[in-house]
Amino acid sequence: AQSVAQPEDQVNVAEGNPLTVKCTYSVSGNPYLFWYVQYPNRGLQFLLKYITGDNLVKGSYGFEAEFNKSQTSFHLKKPSALVSDSALYFCAVRDRGLTGGGNKLTFGTGTQLKVEL
Amino acid sequence: NAGVTQTPKFQVLKTGQSMTLQCAQDMNHNSMYWYRQDPGMGLRLIYYSASEGTTDKGEVPNGYNVSRLNKREFSLRLESAAPSQTSVYFCASKPLADPSSSTDTQYFGPGTRLTVL
Repeated sequence: AQSVAQPEDQVNVAEGNPLTVKCTYSVSGNPYLFWYVQYPNRGLQFLLKYITGDNLVKGSYGFEAEFNKSQTSFHLKKPSALVSDSALYFCAVRDRGLTGGGNKLTFGTGTQLKVEL
Repeated sequence: NAGVTQTPKFQVLKTGQSMTLQCAQDMNHNSMYWYRQDPGMGLRLIYYSASEGTTDKGEVPNGYNVSRLNKREFSLRLESAAPSQTSVYFCASKPLADPSSSTDTQYFGPGTRLTVL
């Protein structure tokens, strides 16, 4: 079974400060890991994906995520937050060892990011 | 490209009524998915279609049926709506791609907000 935990319902940060949104995962094998962002009344948009190799993955809009295998974590980061980054962020996982089955993703419960002036 | 489109955007039903949520994608994607999003629970997979002509149950299929009408369209039907089905419903699609590539990710529609009274 595969699962994802996002321990924070909400993260508040001041504009210009660095931000971190936390994610931990559980899979029986090795993971593919994803971050998606959802703006109000919109569908989810893909930000980035961890495949293999480099533990720091760069994505859209200046976001990056750090993969840590020993801590089974995949935290989303940005060096300098913008008010426009305020949105709901979802982490998702897929076990590499699972084939077929539509390549299903398991999503976390989401973290609301609020960036204030 | 319109991407993934969903109709209707909003719907109010009475308990026991039926309705079909429509989803279409114009990206020639192989796989399509239906999710529901509820506060504090993230996205949960209802049904998916790994390829045209196949459908399979996800995590929460009870009370729903699906039809993969053709490669473009994947509909979700509520035969007898219940208040517990009040939710936001998202359709997503995914191309046939190497799982180790960044293009192997899901693309989401804007959602349908359903209220069952």
